[in-house]
Amino acid sequence: EAGVTQSPRYAVLQEGQAVSFWCDPISGHDTLYWYQQPRDQGPQLLVYFRDEAVIDNSQLPSDRFSAVRPKGTNSTLKIQSAKQGDTATYLCASSPGLGSYEQYFGPGTRLTVL
Amino acid sequence: AQSVTQPDARVTVSEGASLQLRCKYSYFGTPYLFWYVQYPRQGLQLLLKYYPGDPVVQGVNGFEAEFSKSNSSFHLRKASVHWSDWAVYFCAVSPSSGSWQLIFGSGTQLTVMP
Repeated sequence: EAGVTQSPRYAVLQEGQAVSFWCDPISGHDTLYWYQQPRDQGPQLLVYFRDEAVIDNSQLPSDRFSAVRPKGTNSTLKIQSAKQGDTATYLCASSPGLGSYEQYFGPGTRLTVL
Repeated sequence: AQSVTQPDARVTVSEGASLQLRCKYSYFGTPYLFWYVQYPRQGLQLLLKYYPGDPVVQGVNGFEAEFSKSNSSFHLRKASVHWSDWAVYFCAVSPSSGSWQLIFGSGTQLTVMP
């Protein structure tokens, strides 16, 4: 069974540039999560979906961050006008959904904003 | 609000020695608890999980953890550490109230000395 895949693995930007991260969850997993992990910290939830619906995006900085999962499978997280404070690893995770609290993580995208 | 505290940012042990990594949670009720491990430049991998039941749970690679409601703790243990255990360990809590989110601690960096 293939795991969660993410791309790109690394991104380096200047402040003000935009970037998109892509995630392909484990086949059949209906719940998908995006986390931000600053250096030397634990992951912090940004947004999560069940199928194509956003369940909770209260931690997503909505003025610059957006996330979609249009067909309930792959997902894209986008940062408009990146700031140095956005420097972190962005992790995607998926879960089988109802009845399971286990999440399976991808390798992450390490973002550096100069 | 629920939270997780890992009081030790760094732990160093000798190979073959026993290990305990501490985790304290704050949650009104009985949570679901998890330990994840993160190897360098990789995503998080699930070590073990606690769903209400037997307070001692077994995980992969000889790890186990013990849930204590009275102490609000979920400490991770291993009888004999191997050099390959060198990684960052995260404790996480998920409320059992139907929320599918994970709240992570800040992590403990484990260093294994030869």
